[in-house]
Amino acid sequence: AQSVTQPDIHITVSEGASLELRCNYSYGATPYLFWYVQSPGQGLQLLLKYFSGDTLVQGIKGFEAEFKRSQSSFNLRKPSVHWSDAAEYFCAVVAGSTLGRLYFGRGTQLTVWP
Amino acid sequence: EAQVTQNPRYLITVTGKKLTVTCSQNMNHEYMSWYRQDPGLGLRQIYYSMNVEVTDKGDVPEGYKVSRKEKRNFPLILESPSPNQTSLYFCASSLQGIVSYEQYFGPGTRLTVT
Repeated sequence: AQSVTQPDIHITVSEGASLELRCNYSYGATPYLFWYVQSPGQGLQLLLKYFSGDTLVQGIKGFEAEFKRSQSSFNLRKPSVHWSDAAEYFCAVVAGSTLGRLYFGRGTQLTVWP
Repeated sequence: EAQVTQNPRYLITVTGKKLTVTCSQNMNHEYMSWYRQDPGLGLRQIYYSMNVEVTDKGDVPEGYKVSRKEKRNFPLILESPSPNQTSLYFCASSLQGIVSYEQYFGPGTRLTVT
């Protein structure tokens, strides 16, 4: 069965520090991978996605993610965090023959200290 | 304005009383989906629809029904709500599927079943 694991429930970083949020997936074929962000009281917004090609993908708000097939990982990174990045982050994978099913990880809550 | 709307935004109901949460999009999107969000569990897909008259189960379809009779609407029906369906519900849509096109999320419906 397909699954997505985000090992870190909560991460705290200082403003200006670098950030890496971990995501591991379990899926037999080539996965379609996504990172979403949810600000407090808001819906979800797509940060970036990967489904082929260059394994380092750039997204909005200065985020990037690297797909590593050998490690079944799709970690999200940002070189310098801003206070406005405080939010919950979800990794997700599309699976199934119809490509309509989306599996989310349980999320990582990011707190940014000033 | 392009958007996904959900109604109601907040609902408190009692066990067993049938309810419908409406979802509508004005972007002529083919794909629509429902998710529920619970603390510590992330988002889980309930049902999705690749296009009109085509719906499929997601991860947690038990206790829910959907219909897709027209492109713009995708209501979520709880025939006999139970307390374990207390959750935050999100509707989403995309132009065609969720691999090549971004999924847009509605503002959410907070449901409490007593």
